[in-house]
Amino acid sequence: GAVVSQHPSWVICKSGTSVKIECRSLDFQATTMFWYRQFPKQSLMLMATSNEGSKATYEQGVEKDKFLINHASLTLSTLTVTSAHPEDSSFYICSATTGNYGYTFGSGTRLTVV
Amino acid sequence: GESVGLHLPTLSVQEGDNSIINCAYSNSASDYFIWYKQESGKGPQFIIDIRSNMDKRQGQRVTVLLNKTVKHLSLQIAATQPGDSAVYFCAPQSNKFYFGSGTKLNVKP
Repeated sequence: GAVVSQHPSWVICKSGTSVKIECRSLDFQATTMFWYRQFPKQSLMLMATSNEGSKATYEQGVEKDKFLINHASLTLSTLTVTSAHPEDSSFYICSATTGNYGYTFGSGTRLTVV
Repeated sequence: GESVGLHLPTLSVQEGDNSIINCAYSNSASDYFIWYKQESGKGPQFIIDIRSNMDKRQGQRVTVLLNKTVKHLSLQIAATQPGDSAVYFCAPQSNKFYFGSGTKLNVKP
């Protein structure tokens, strides 16, 4: 079945630094990838939708300059948290789809900003 | 975004009993629905899906029921096991997936 690999699974970074999270579709070409954020005991909150070769569409309230998304190929999307602060600490999850129904999720990245 | 709500935030069941998790949605244009299971610290895992031209679909130990008239979904888990303990989300598809708050299923031994 479709597999989405997300890396790293966890990262600790210092406040003010930037962190890049990768999301790869391993055995299919993903026309669209989604990025979610999840705080403890809460649901997944959609941050942005990215289509290969075009700019990401951000959900209301998500800062595009802070959460940079690049979807340079049909198998890779990256989320860069710029100038991270402790309040950005969260569980970040990507998902990918070919567009023909069916979404596969990555295993998530636990970001801790200290 | 999509309004998705779950009727019960937490459900506790005895091991071996059947579980029923409910989900309401608001977008009548949704034509595809997926149930996901999320274990602590992991990404969501696909459980079962259903298209709007169906009202019931069965998998292994799981059944999803869809009532489009009242915009309601349910997930039934037969003979619930400790490994079923997780948070369950329903996700109606429009052009993207919005998740509701989820229902936490606790299975008591």
